Amino acid sequence: SQTIHQWPATLVQPVGSPLSLECTVEGTSNPNLYWYRQAAGRGLQLLFYSVGIGQISSEVPQNLSASRPQDRQFILSSKKLLLSDSGFYLCAWRPGLAGGGETQYFGPGTRLLVL
Amino acid sequence: AQSVTQLDSHVSVSEGTPVLLRCNYSSSYSPSLFWYVQHPNKGLQLLLKYTSAATLVKGINGFEAEFKKSETSFHLTKPSAHMSDAAEYFCVVSAVGFQKLVFGTGTRLLVSP
Repeated sequence: SQTIHQWPATLVQPVGSPLSLECTVEGTSNPNLYWYRQAAGRGLQLLFYSVGIGQISSEVPQNLSASRPQDRQFILSSKKLLLSDSGFYLCAWRPGLAGGGETQYFGPGTRLLVL
Repeated sequence: AQSVTQLDSHVSVSEGTPVLLRCNYSSSYSPSLFWYVQHPNKGLQLLLKYTSAATLVKGINGFEAEFKKSETSFHLTKPSAHMSDAAEYFCVVSAVGFQKLVFGTGTRLLVSP
């Protein structure tokens, strides 16, 4: 069966520091991968998605970036964190094959607090 | 274009009473519709999905939803609420071939003893 992992689970970082959040998927090949952010009391905002290694689509211009160095690894980064980057970051995957369906499966999330 | 509107930001029920969470959608294509649940500080869990098969969809934990094309609705129901149902619920729309999901703003379900 497929599983999705995110780490760290919780992170407290000072303003201006760098960020690296990691997401990995097991049990599937060539998945589509997604990064979402959920600010306190708000819905989900799609940040990035990827349909393959090295292929990144950005949904919202900001100081975050994403990379996909391996098929089942998706990384969210920042060179300098802002206070507004605080939130709950969720990674998700869906089958990449045609006919695999639109259902996305979510990881446990990373809680980021920027002080 | 696709969008969803969750008509209630908060719903309060007593344990053992029915639950109704309302969702209306808009889609230029034959939609796929989903309900996800999120417990505090957790990821999202798929409750159920509609993908042009039966209009009444049964999900996990006793939840079900009915796709009504004429009303562009996909309301989530459960006959009897349990304390463990207290969570945030998201209605979501997509379409075949689309890479992205479009989320509603969420409905927080509160269950009192």
